Amino acid sequence: DAEITQSPRHKITETGRQVTLACHQTWNHNNMFWYRQDLGHGLRLIHYSYGVQDTNKGEVSDGYSVSRSNTEDLPLTLESAASSQTSVYFCASSEDPPGIGNTIYFGEGSWLTVV
Amino acid sequence: GESVGLHLPTLSVQEGDNSIINCAYSNSASDYFIWYKQESGKGPQFIIDIRSNMDKRQGQRVTVLLNKTVKHLSLQIAATQPGDSAVYFCADDSGNTGKLIFGQGTTLQVKP
Repeated sequence: DAEITQSPRHKITETGRQVTLACHQTWNHNNMFWYRQDLGHGLRLIHYSYGVQDTNKGEVSDGYSVSRSNTEDLPLTLESAASSQTSVYFCASSEDPPGIGNTIYFGEGSWLTVV
Repeated sequence: GESVGLHLPTLSVQEGDNSIINCAYSNSASDYFIWYKQESGKGPQFIIDIRSNMDKRQGQRVTVLLNKTVKHLSLQIAATQPGDSAVYFCADDSGNTGKLIFGQGTTLQVKP
């Protein structure tokens, strides 16, 4: 079955280190998204991509970057991890066109702790 | 800015009863809403969606109602079961961009 997978599922890192969270989907979806989820907040959009070589900033993009070199993958990089980036990160993907009833599928999440 | 909010952080119901989870939004131009269910340790899972040209939409044991006049939507779950215990989010994708604006979530607890 097609799916969306995230790795690692859990990670502890130190302040200042670079961290990359992987997201891989096998649906061949053009649209991919990264969200973070913190206690007391719903999910908030970090970055998104509508296709290869396309990347865009979301609501909370400071300190994060993404790259889209192929359809299947959208890795999220924390350039210099900060304690404020301790969170649960979710990757998502959807068919074209975005919205208009095309279901957005979420991965299982990556728990990141910055100490 | 645009916001989506839920009325109650926690809802506790008896197994077999109906559950109603509420959500309010601020943008009068919002026209597409989605309800997600998130179980502990998992990602959000699509339940049902509704567009602004509809007042009501039904799925399996779930119904979403949209009141555009007061900018409010609700998710009704019939005959609530223990497996319905989860956090429920409403989300707004009114730009049809796939960029979701989420509410804060309501935790549904089902008592046996």
